Amino acid sequence: EVQLVQSGAEVKKPGESLKISCKGSGYSFTNFWIAWVRQMPGKGLEWMGVIYPGDSDTRYSPSFQGQVTISADKSTGTAYLQWSSLKASDTAMYYCARRTATTEYFDYWGQGTLVTVSS
Amino acid sequence: DIQMTQSPSYVSASVGDRVTITCRASQGISSWLAWYQQKPGKAPKLLIYGASSLQSGVPSRFSGSGSGTDFTLTISSLQPEDFATYFCQQASSIPLTFGGGTRVEI
Repeated sequence: EVQLVQSGAEVKKPGESLKISCKGSGYSFTNFWIAWVRQMPGKGLEWMGVIYPGDSDTRYSPSFQGQVTISADKSTGTAYLQWSSLKASDTAMYYCARRTATTEYFDYWGQGTLVTVSS
Repeated sequence: DIQMTQSPSYVSASVGDRVTITCRASQGISSWLAWYQQKPGKAPKLLIYGASSLQSGVPSRFSGSGSGTDFTLTISSLQPEDFATYFCQQASSIPLTFGGGTRVEI
């Protein structure tokens, strides 16, 4: 069974750093792109970027380029999303999602990680 | 970026109703469109891909149509478990973009 399991909820202060994770299982982790998707409270879905764990090829949305870093560790089957300096506007639910083998659709999703940034 | 516009943003419906949601792309995307269902507190779930192909395990009361810039998601007979928010997503070019969502409520 394909599963993406994300790390738990985080509460941080503005200016702090953070790294959240998404562990894949039940499939060949290195052969499928993993994307990160933001959902701000009560809002829609925003594609942040994607990584191919096999070679760490990474693409970012222009809206998030320079704001976050996406990485992956193929030895542990885990993808990461990190911030070096959080802002209150980063408060959101963050989902990882597996891209299908040949198209830009997302067939499996993690359960989400809620990030709250507040002073 | 390709903008995706969904309408309506809110639908009030009853069990057994036929519900249609539309999604318009700001430029042609051929059939590179997906529909997702999201229930409160849960991750989105893929329903339809390629504008009209039903994802495995999704009930046949869900159907999709369209190509180019105009797309529809139809629920032929609304069931209690279908009350949720629905999003379209274009898969034609990066950055991938989603519609604003349509909430289906009783």
